[in-house]
Amino acid sequence: QVQLVQSGAEVKKPGASVKVSCRASGYTFTSFYIHWVRQAPGQGLEWLGVIYPDGGGTDYAQRFQGRISMTSDTSTSTVYMDLRSLTADDTAIYFCARAWQTPHSDLDYWGQGTLVTVSS
Amino acid sequence: DIQMTQSPSSVSASVGDRVTISCRASQGISTWLDWYQQKPGKAPKLLISATSGLQGGVPSRFSGSRSGTDFTLTISSLRPEDFATYYCQQTDSFPLTFGGGTKVEIK
Repeated sequence: QVQLVQSGAEVKKPGASVKVSCRASGYTFTSFYIHWVRQAPGQGLEWLGVIYPDGGGTDYAQRFQGRISMTSDTSTSTVYMDLRSLTADDTAIYFCARAWQTPHSDLDYWGQGTLVTVSS
Repeated sequence: DIQMTQSPSSVSASVGDRVTISCRASQGISTWLDWYQQKPGKAPKLLISATSGLQGGVPSRFSGSRSGTDFTLTISSLRPEDFATYYCQQTDSFPLTFGGGTKVEIK
């Protein structure tokens, strides 16, 4: 069955970086995009960007440009999201989700989420 | 960016009630609108894609519709397991954007 398994919770200090992983199984890794979405405590959903595992191309939300990177390792079917220069506002649960490699595709399977806490 | 305005932000309803949730896009997005259900401590779950496409395993009491840039999620007869927060999301263009959410609470 399709699974996206994310790395464990992280606690970081302001100004630090965090790297969250998302390991896919149960489907052909290179046939789907991986999106990243976050949710601050008690808040709604915010899209961070997408990576195309087959080739490594990316599209990032404008507000994160310059401090976010997404990479993929096809040998382990794993995608990584790296967020730098963290502030308290980056405290959130970070989700990965897959989507078909077609325009307008939906986020049909999600990881379990990774809590990132930024605190001094 | 396309803004998604969802209403109401919360609704109190009883089992068996009909519930409607609205979502308005700031510009035309054709039918590229999805609905998700999220329960506390869980990831969102895709319910409906492309305005009205019910996902496999989702009960038929859920339905979606569209009028121009206005979209509606309807739960025809609320069940106990439907108490959750619902989000709309446009997939017309990047950046993908979500509505603010509607929490369906027990009356």
